[in-house]
Amino acid sequence: GIQVEQSPPDLILQEGANSTLRCNFSDSVNNLQWFHQNPWGQLINLFYIPSGTKQNGRLSATTVATERYSLLYISSSQTTDSGVYFCAGEHGSGNTGKLIFGQGTTLQVKP
Amino acid sequence: NAGVTQTPKFRVLKTGQSMTLLCAQDMNHEYMYWYRQDPGMGLRLIHYSVGEGTTAKGEVPDGYNVSRLKKQNFLLGLESAAPSQTSVYFCASSFLDWRGGNERFFGPGTRLTVL
Repeated sequence: GIQVEQSPPDLILQEGANSTLRCNFSDSVNNLQWFHQNPWGQLINLFYIPSGTKQNGRLSATTVATERYSLLYISSSQTTDSGVYFCAGEHGSGNTGKLIFGQGTTLQVKP
Repeated sequence: NAGVTQTPKFRVLKTGQSMTLLCAQDMNHEYMYWYRQDPGMGLRLIHYSVGEGTTAKGEVPDGYNVSRLKKQNFLLGLESAAPSQTSVYFCASSFLDWRGGNERFFGPGTRLTVL
């Protein structure tokens, strides 16, 4: 199966700082998504981004499918951004059901 | 819309007991999934369903059974719970859009402890 590698594994920021999280895939993927797992354990959909660039407020994401990576940008970070960020992708065509998750990046934003 | 809901939110079992986790979605999605999340790890797929009456195995299916008798519900069963099944269980649903895209939407999770 495909391998999903996220970096960095841990990140500590001061409120107001910017950051970039990276997700690398060992093979081509479809249906790439970014999630935020908040301190209460909820998984929040951030982006569905199989290719290209999307922006939502202070967050944006870029996927370069041909080079098998995706980036999540957080600007002007806030304490509420703390939590774990996961990327996930699916290998193959159609719906195989197998969305494979990375290990996550744990972000702590300090006031 | 409530989206994806899971019942119960928390449960403690003794080794050998059985239980069923219920997932319900009101988005008329064709596909539903069960994942487990263990400390320090991402989510791993247990079983999934591509339509009413159909199920398939994921990455870690052993010790679990599933049923999809109604389109809106997906049940995860543990016949004889083991401490290794202590985990947080997430249900998700999705549909194929006109471009073939397949975005998953997750429920709030069920925290299960097996003593």
